[in-house]
Amino acid sequence: ETGVTQTPRHLVMGMTNKKSLKCEQHLGHNAMYWYKQSAKKPLELMFVYNFKEQTENNSVPSRFSPECPNSSHLFLHLHTLQPEDSALYLCASSQDPAGGYNEQFFGPGTRLTVL
Amino acid sequence: QKEVEQNSGPLSVPEGAIASLNCTYSDRVSQSFFWYRQYSGKSPELIMSIYSNGDKEDGRFTAQLNKASQYVSLLIRDSQPSDSATYLCAVNADRGSTLGRLYFGRGTQLTVWP
Repeated sequence: ETGVTQTPRHLVMGMTNKKSLKCEQHLGHNAMYWYKQSAKKPLELMFVYNFKEQTENNSVPSRFSPECPNSSHLFLHLHTLQPEDSALYLCASSQDPAGGYNEQFFGPGTRLTVL
Repeated sequence: QKEVEQNSGPLSVPEGAIASLNCTYSDRVSQSFFWYRQYSGKSPELIMSIYSNGDKEDGRFTAQLNKASQYVSLLIRDSQPSDSATYLCAVNADRGSTLGRLYFGRGTQLTVWP
């Protein structure tokens, strides 16, 4: 595997389900990010993990719960979602978020549909 | 609120022409700038990074940065139908922060017709 991988690629869930999204980066980077992309809206940053410590929760509802067990893996736990949470969820990683350059590389995304 | 504005398009150019994509940003302390290409149904792909005023060329792509005018652009020379995608402008405006937050524009949809 190379780059940033995400599973599953597609997910359909009911409002009462609990599911998890997984992201893995094979780039040796130090920071990982969750973004949400909805139609007609800019990419929205949800969470940032820098060196395994959560450093940003961008006013995300508690029904989204991130987990970062190490610098290569990132999870997004989902529970009691709403239909408006249907979107493309993107994971990204970067080498040096504090260095000012901060090139971020994205995974393929998980297309989530909440019924 | 740090804003990144792009003309929404759609922008349509014939094959072989130069496509010009523009982006303005609100925060003067912004220090690094990125262009991503996103094909329909796919994730964003980083195609250009620029950090200092002036031009940066990579193949058919040229990024131009003018910090005084808070303006960054992307030129695509000899446009090909395969360049048809949405182009996202992103700005890193968190100087001195360890967050590495990027602020994204809404994107410009480009269509290159044969």
